Amino acid sequence: DTAVSQTPKYLVTQMGNDKSIKCEQNLGHDTMYWYKQDSKKFLKIMFSYNNKELIINETVPNRFSPKSPDKAHLNLHINSLELGDSAVYFCASSTPPTDTQYFGPGTRLTVL
Amino acid sequence: GIQVEQSPPDLILQEGANSTLRCNFSDSVNNLQWFHQNPWGQLINLFYIPSGTKQNGRLSATTVATERYSLLYISSSQTTDSGVYFCAVERGFGNEKLTFGTGTRLTIIP
Repeated sequence: DTAVSQTPKYLVTQMGNDKSIKCEQNLGHDTMYWYKQDSKKFLKIMFSYNNKELIINETVPNRFSPKSPDKAHLNLHINSLELGDSAVYFCASSTPPTDTQYFGPGTRLTVL
Repeated sequence: GIQVEQSPPDLILQEGANSTLRCNFSDSVNNLQWFHQNPWGQLINLFYIPSGTKQNGRLSATTVATERYSLLYISSSQTTDSGVYFCAVERGFGNEKLTFGTGTRLTIIP
């Protein structure tokens, strides 16, 4: 019974391609997030959705487009992939009052 | 934005030793969480602790909000404790985000 799941786990692609990462949570949480972890392990939030509504949009290139079809799913589509997009992307979810965050297993994206 | 500093950046200990990891933050917070990222990359939430002290088995955490720091204690370390420990904070003024520290890499040697 995976709480937060992501697919795929690994993604290797060429520069210029478009790719998507999917996330699903079965915890009944209202809020979902996308984080990027770079090669130095630094974790930074990219987007946050609450009940399908975008509430946080950090300074992320508009090649990145999140989509939340319902509150249990948050997908990330990336257009025109660049070398600098190589990283591990984590999905997470949380719910009030503590907003304790639960992370998915991560998707390691490698752009060649 | 808020700054989060963790120390030490790296820590190597023998199995059975105790350790203390520190997180300093630059502003008042109403949310502080500790995470463990294991060597396989999985991020596990250890504590939600904006203030006070909590214990969970061999792990405990204390946050002194007025002095803007938090400590994570690991007693009787095991090799499975290896990984990177992150502190993350949020100020909580509506639609805020968790800001992560740079982490402490802990290596436990058998």
